[in-house]
Amino acid sequence: QKEVEQDPGPLSVPEGAIVSLNCTYSNSAFQYFMWYRQYSRKGPELLMYTYSSGNKEDGRFTAQVDKSSKYISLFIRDSQPSDSATYLCAMSGNTGTASKLTFGTGTRLQVTL
Amino acid sequence: EAQVTQNPRYLITVTGKKLTVTCSQNMNHEYMSWYRQDPGLGLRQIYYSMNVEVTDKGDVPEGYKVSRKEKRNFPLILESPSPNQTSLYFCASSLYGSPNTEAFFGQGTRLTVV
Repeated sequence: QKEVEQDPGPLSVPEGAIVSLNCTYSNSAFQYFMWYRQYSRKGPELLMYTYSSGNKEDGRFTAQVDKSSKYISLFIRDSQPSDSATYLCAMSGNTGTASKLTFGTGTRLQVTL
Repeated sequence: EAQVTQNPRYLITVTGKKLTVTCSQNMNHEYMSWYRQDPGLGLRQIYYSMNVEVTDKGDVPEGYKVSRKEKRNFPLILESPSPNQTSLYFCASSLYGSPNTEAFFGQGTRLTVV
């Protein structure tokens, strides 16, 4: 079983929809949770970062972490065609093997006009 | 402009022919790493470096070598490439190796070994 599970999609939504992207994980040592966005033929870039449980909002993006359920989410409001990309969750902890970044496989999102 | 630069972007080579993929960052970051990205497997770390002359294995180091002689450069070496090393490779750097620092990625190198 992978440490981080992420539905690969593809997920296709119309412009303006609310998008929900999710990851589950098994390592309880993870404390730092990130979402990276990767456009086609580009490297990943950091989109959101959250420490421990809770919510974080940045414009149209909201990241949620539920450590009790080992479940993280990224919500995109009023989705735009420019949001079409692959979204990778990533997480890490403080010590040992958990201290390196562990990525999900990514969810490909397509926002249509 | 802050960036991580990889070269080449695309490479087709034959089995057993040694190759080097270069990576350079201009942010004075201490921590650099190499990943490969494969469908269904996501990003997996190959090697990382905490600082000059300090390198260590990641999750999938077999068949790869790295060196860190200068802070800005972290080349990935395939001494004898095989078809199972066909993949999309990314170099990344971050200020420190601690888990809560942002990783900056290069544009990627698509390698095909025939």
